[in-house]
Amino acid sequence: KQEVTQIPAALSVPEGENLVLNCSFTDSAIYNLQWFRQDPGKGLTSLLLIQSSQREQTSGRLNASLDKSSGRSTLYIAASQPGDSATYLCAVIKAAGNKLTFGGGTRVLVKP
Amino acid sequence: KAGVTQTPRYLIKTRGQQVTLSCSPISGHRSVSWYQQTPGQGLQFLFEYFSETQRNKGNFPGRFSGRQFSNSRSEMNVSTLELGDSALYLCASSSRGPGPGANVLTFGAGSRLTVL
Repeated sequence: KQEVTQIPAALSVPEGENLVLNCSFTDSAIYNLQWFRQDPGKGLTSLLLIQSSQREQTSGRLNASLDKSSGRSTLYIAASQPGDSATYLCAVIKAAGNKLTFGGGTRVLVKP
Repeated sequence: KAGVTQTPRYLIKTRGQQVTLSCSPISGHRSVSWYQQTPGQGLQFLFEYFSETQRNKGNFPGRFSGRQFSNSRSEMNVSTLELGDSALYLCASSSRGPGPGANVLTFGAGSRLTVL
């Protein structure tokens, strides 16, 4: 059974500092990994999707890496801003269907 | 391009009642998935529909059911509500059906259900 873990559960950083969010998964037989952002009481916004054949994806200040062999992904957010405050979730998809297995999320607070 | 629309956004029910939630996917998307989010269990997969057929099912009791219509809109139903069913119910749509590939899921804002 696939298990996805995100550590730490919460972190607080001053504005301008780089953010490093970790995600680990137990079953390396994944087809892709997706990072989401969730604001309080809202739905999920997709940030980056990394296919299993890729090592990383970048979008603006965001960069996500994937190491299938070690079962890890890392989301880097450069030069954090107060607007980056949210919960960040990673999720993996196996071969069949659109069934996502989510981690518990990391709640981020960027202080001005 | 309209996003994923979920209705109602908020609702309050009492134990023993039933509830129906609706999800309209992005135009052209044929896959709809449902997820339950609670503080204790996090986000958990309920089921997935593609072309009006349930293709995947999570580990939830039979009180949770769903269906998909020919226009890809989906509904989920929870019967005999329990206090523990209080949650944010999210649906997601995708242009791809079951099978390998780059499945980018777009989520709706969710329906927040409170069971008293």
